[in-house]
Amino acid sequence: GAVVSQHPSWVICKSGTSVKIECRSLDFQATTMFWYRQFPKQSLMLMATSNEGSKATYEQGVEKDKFLINHASLTLSTLTVTSAHPEDSSFYICSASSNFNTEAFFGQGTRLTVV
Amino acid sequence: AQSVTQPDIHITVSEGASLELRCNYSYGATPYLFWYVQSPGQGLQLLLKYFSGDTLVQGIKGFEAEFKRSQSSFNLRKPSVHWSDAAEYFCAVATSAAGNKLTFGGGTRVLVKP
Repeated sequence: GAVVSQHPSWVICKSGTSVKIECRSLDFQATTMFWYRQFPKQSLMLMATSNEGSKATYEQGVEKDKFLINHASLTLSTLTVTSAHPEDSSFYICSASSNFNTEAFFGQGTRLTVV
Repeated sequence: AQSVTQPDIHITVSEGASLELRCNYSYGATPYLFWYVQSPGQGLQLLLKYFSGDTLVQGIKGFEAEFKRSQSSFNLRKPSVHWSDAAEYFCAVATSAAGNKLTFGGGTRVLVKP
């Protein structure tokens, strides 16, 4: 149980285009999802917290107009990187939790490369 | 503000030897603590967690960790390392009452020598 799936696992896009990353909870209802970013050889940094049906809460320094987060259902949250630039190249990982879990479960991550 | 420090960026250990990874946290309330492992290019796998109760926590793959409130530490140990344990290890503290919003340490990369 408690499986979180991210799609795609990796993506390459051209500079200036937008990329959407999906995070799905497969066997539970995720009332809260978190998006993290990990640069090479660095730790994970929380980008934003999303609760189903409401606007995401972004961490300081994260541009909400660049990283659009939608959590329209209890099983799906999406992160859209708009007008991507090479500096947005990173590993993006989501986690999800329900009201009944005391922890969050992580997806396998998405490697984004912007060329 | 909460923070997690992993003092060792790299650790090299011989296969079969013991391993200890250090983690110190700073958090005002009772912490929820986690250890994750990440293989190259992969997501995170939970090794173990501490919420309350027994301060010595057993996890998967033969790992254990001990919560020491007086030292604000949650060190990870394994008695005998296998080559497959080579990976990046992250300590994290939950900064929400639900235990789901995490602040991560910088990570420790473990290399295993044959």
